[in-house]
Order: sequence, then C-alpha cells, then structure tokens
Amino acid sequence: QKEVEQDPGPLSVPEGAIVSLNCTYSNSAFQYFMWYRQYSRKGPELLMYTYSSGNKEDGRFTAQVDKSSKYISLFIRDSQPSDSATYLCAMKGNFGNEKLTFGTGTRLTIIP
Amino acid sequence: NAGVTQTPKFRILKIGQSMTLQCTQDMNHNYMYWYRQDPGMGLKLIYYSVGAGITDKGEVPNGYNVSRSTTEDFPLRLELAAPSQTSVYFCASSYVWGAGEQYFGPGTRLTVT
Repeated sequence: QKEVEQDPGPLSVPEGAIVSLNCTYSNSAFQYFMWYRQYSRKGPELLMYTYSSGNKEDGRFTAQVDKSSKYISLFIRDSQPSDSATYLCAMKGNFGNEKLTFGTGTRLTIIP
Repeated sequence: NAGVTQTPKFRILKIGQSMTLQCTQDMNHNYMYWYRQDPGMGLKLIYYSVGAGITDKGEVPNGYNVSRSTTEDFPLRLELAAPSQTSVYFCASSYVWGAGEQYFGPGTRLTVT
C-alpha cells in the first residue's frame, strides 16, 4: 500500500463547476498537508498549506483535512480554464518525518 | 529573482553515458533537493542537501551522485546511464528544513536509450 493515494484522473469539468480533488494517506505521523499545482512542462508550485485537521480558504480554493479519516481534499469553486493543471497533494510530519511525501497527481482540465 | 534554474531542459543519453544536471538558486536557501517524476509514481526524493558541503541520500539514490560546494549550486551526476533513469528531474529549494513550501525549478527531461 502506498503511503499516499491519489486518483490520477484525468478529470474534465465544464468552466464554472466546483472541482473536488482528494488524497488518502496511511502514515499517522503526517501533520502538515499541502497542495501543489503543476502546469504542463513546468515545476510544481505551492498552492495551499494546512496544518492538522480543519479547513483553509484562499480565494476560490479550499483545502480540507480530516485526520481521523486520513483524508484530504482540495475544492476549487467557479473553476476557470487557467485552473487546468496537475494537482499534487503532499504531506509531512515532524521529528524525522520532515521529508515531503507526494501523491501521484490528478490531471484536471476545465472545459470552456 | 530567477528562483531555481535548471539546465539542460532536455537531454537524450545513450546507455552507459554520464552527465551532470545543473541546478542553481538565487534565494539564499540552505536546503536543496533533487526529485525525479515518473508517470503514475509521483515525485521521489533522490538526494538532498542541508548546506554547502552536506548532502544525504533520499528515497531513490542509486545511480546518482551529488555535491554542494556553494549555497547556490546543487548539481546531480548520473554515472553509467540506464533506461530506468529516463524521467523528469526537478531541483527544489527551501528556506527551512522540512519546509512544506519548496520552490521548484522547471525540470530536465532525460531520455536514456
């Protein structure tokens, strides 16, 4: 079993739709949860960073963490064609678990 | 600020050849990382460095070597290239150790045939 599982997609939705991207994990030591966005032929860039359970909102993006279920989500409201990219979840812990563990990424296309 | 830069962008190697992937950052970050990204496999850590002169192995170090003589540069050396090293390689840096926020370069696409 992989430490982090992420549906690779691809996922295609019409412009304006709400998008839900998800990851599950098995390592209970993970405390910090990130979403990176990667455009085609580019390096990943940090989109959202959350600590422990709860929600964090930034504009059209909401990151949600449920540590009891070992499940994290990224919601994109009013999706735009510029949101078309691969979204990678990443997570890490403390005290010897600081290295990032990445999901495989979900490829998202927003259709105008 | 250019951020993290990598050269070359693309390279085709024959089996058994060697090459160095270059990585430079201008953010004065102490911590630098090399990852490889394969389809369906996510990003895997190859090597990392916590400062000039200090490097350590990541998850998949076999077939690679690194050095860190300056804060800015962190080259990755492939010796005796194998088809299994066909991948996209990303260099990244961070301000603190174990930072969730890492700054990535644009990547080097390497094919070994």
